[in-house]
Amino acid sequence: AQSVAQPEDQVNVAEGNPLTVKCTYSVSGNPYLFWYVQYPNRGLQFLLKYITGDNLVKGSYGFEAEFNKSQTSFHLKKPSALVSDSALYFCAVSPDSNYQLIWGAGTKLIIKP
Amino acid sequence: NAGVTQTPKFQVLKTGQSMTLQCAQDMNHNSMYWYRQDPGMGLRLIYYSASEGTTDKGEVPNGYNVSRLNKREFSLRLESAAPSQTSVYFCASSEDGAPYGYTFGSGTRLTVV
Repeated sequence: AQSVAQPEDQVNVAEGNPLTVKCTYSVSGNPYLFWYVQYPNRGLQFLLKYITGDNLVKGSYGFEAEFNKSQTSFHLKKPSALVSDSALYFCAVSPDSNYQLIWGAGTKLIIKP
Repeated sequence: NAGVTQTPKFQVLKTGQSMTLQCAQDMNHNSMYWYRQDPGMGLRLIYYSASEGTTDKGEVPNGYNVSRLNKREFSLRLESAAPSQTSVYFCASSEDGAPYGYTFGSGTRLTVV
């Protein structure tokens, strides 16, 4: 079965430190990969996506993600965390352009001052 | 700049009552989706509509019906609400499937007592 895993329910990082939120997937073909962020009591907002090309993609708010085909991973990263980055982060994958997004369970990111 | 608008934002129902959640988008998107979000389970697709006039079941369609009234509007109906349907419901739209990403509404928090 096709699936997306976010192995950490919660990630705690001190402000100013680099952060990584992990995502691995199990889908066939050449996947489309996404990260979304959800702030409290809000809908999900698009952060970045990988369709093809450079394995390192840059997105909103200084976030970037690295696609690793051999490890089937798409980890979200930021060089220097801000308290305002605290939110729920979702990884999503689609095996092709005509398929629905498959969602991870989400990772709560807490940035401490 | 409305994007995706959901109404209502909050609702409390008694078991057995019915209600319709409304969703409208002003981006001329072809595809629309209804998700439910439950703690630790990420987003689960209830129904989607790839284009005006078509609807399809998602992962968890039981207990729900949908109507794609026109290109802008996609409603979700609970005919006989059950406590298991207590959740946060999100509507989303996309231009034409997964590669373009989804735009989400702000959600409806539904409690069934």
